[in-house]
Amino acid sequence: RKEVEQDPGPFNVPEGATVAFNCTYSNSASQSFFWYRQDCRKEPKLLMSVYSSGNEDGRFTAQLNRASQYISLLIRDSKLSDSATYLCVVNEGTYKYIFGTGTRLKVLA
Amino acid sequence: EAGVTQFPSHSVIEKGQTVTLRCDPISGHDNLYWYRRVMGKEIKFLLHFVKESKQDESGMPNNRFLAERTGGTYSTLKVQPAELEDSGVYFCASSRDITGELFFGEGSRLTVL
Repeated sequence: RKEVEQDPGPFNVPEGATVAFNCTYSNSASQSFFWYRQDCRKEPKLLMSVYSSGNEDGRFTAQLNRASQYISLLIRDSKLSDSATYLCVVNEGTYKYIFGTGTRLKVLA
Repeated sequence: EAGVTQFPSHSVIEKGQTVTLRCDPISGHDNLYWYRRVMGKEIKFLLHFVKESKQDESGMPNNRFLAERTGGTYSTLKVQPAELEDSGVYFCASSRDITGELFFGEGSRLTVL
């Protein structure tokens, strides 16, 4: 079993749609969680950290469920510019960041 | 503030040759990481420096890979001799602390023919 698992997609959604991605992690001792965004042939960039109480940043909402060991990312009112790969990243309390394979999102006009 | 910079952005070499990748982290970031993404796979940890000290190189594939960070500033990753399976994108990242945000360079794409 992979340490961090994501549905690779692709998710093809129309503009304005709401889309949700899930990610599961295997190490129950994991301490910090992130969503990174990676555009084609570019580097990953931090989209948002994920806090235990859940957090929102504009159209993006991230949630953490420690009991079930999953993290989610909800994107509302999708824009064409949201098309990218979304990487779930888990830190186990050390310098080791574990990456999921990423979920590809394509927002269609 | 300058971001993480990597050089070269793309390198094409033949099997058996040597390649050296360079990473300049964000100034003041003691933590420097090398990661690699092979086609279709997840980004995988190679090693971690704190200043000039290697903290963990458990992700290095084998002894054909050598990383250094002279003086705790820039880092180099040498592959010698390169094999076909070494092809991929090598990302460097830096962070101020070990559990916070990672800042990535644009990556060095290595193609071994």
